Amino acid sequence: AQKVTQAQTEISVVEKEDVTLDCVYETRDTTYYLFWYKQPPSGELVFLIRRNSFDEQNEISGRYSWNFQKSTSSFNFTITASQVVDSAVYFCALSDLTGNQFYFGTGTSLTVIP
Amino acid sequence: EAGVAQSPRYKIIEKRQSVAFWCNPISGHATLYWYQQILGQGPKLLIQFQNNGVVDDSQLPKDRFSAERLKGVDSTLKIQPAKLEDSAVYLCASSPRDRAYGYTFGSGTRLTVV
Repeated sequence: AQKVTQAQTEISVVEKEDVTLDCVYETRDTTYYLFWYKQPPSGELVFLIRRNSFDEQNEISGRYSWNFQKSTSSFNFTITASQVVDSAVYFCALSDLTGNQFYFGTGTSLTVIP
Repeated sequence: EAGVAQSPRYKIIEKRQSVAFWCNPISGHATLYWYQQILGQGPKLLIQFQNNGVVDDSQLPKDRFSAERLKGVDSTLKIQPAKLEDSAVYLCASSPRDRAYGYTFGSGTRLTVV
C-alpha cells in the first residue's frame, strides 16, 4: 500500500536555527516520485521539489536541502538558517510515475519564532 | 503565468444546504483536480479530470458530491446536501499533461458546515 508518514506534527524553532522535517514512505512500486510542498497560512500549496526514485543524489536549493535515502524509504527536508517566512505546513507526497496516484502525508507545521 | 483561481474563498452553510465551488485552472493545463483537506490532514483527491473527461472519481462521495468540467477549462464542485463532516478546505489544482511534475494549487475554498 502507498503511504506517507510525517511523524512530526508540529515543530517550533528560533530564527536562524536549522530544522529537519522527516518523511518516511511506503510503496509497492519500484519507481516513483517524491515531492515536498509548502502550505503557508494563505492556504495554497506551493511545489518545492520532485525527486525520482532512481536518483539518490541529495539536492540543495538555497537554504533548502533534501536527503533521499531509498534504503530507509526516507526523504527528509532541511531548512538551514530558518526565517520567519518559513513558517508553514510542509507536506511530503508520493506518486507513481504517471502522477495519477498521488498521496500526501499529514503534514508538519513549522513555526519559526523571531 | 496566472495561477489557479478559486472562488469563493470562504463559505459557511447550514447542514443539508447546497454549495458550489468554482475553479479556473492555469491556461493550457489539461488536467484538473479537486482535493479535500480536512483540518490537520493532508489533501485527499476527490476527482481528476483530463480535459473534460473524468479520469478518477473513486474517492468522490457520489451520493452528495458532483463535479463537472465543461469545455475542458473551468470546473465546479457541488455538495448537495452538505454534512458537518464536509467542513474542510477544497483545493483545486491543475497540471500540464506531464502530471508527475506535480500540480499547481489554488488557494482553496474553506467550507464550514454548521
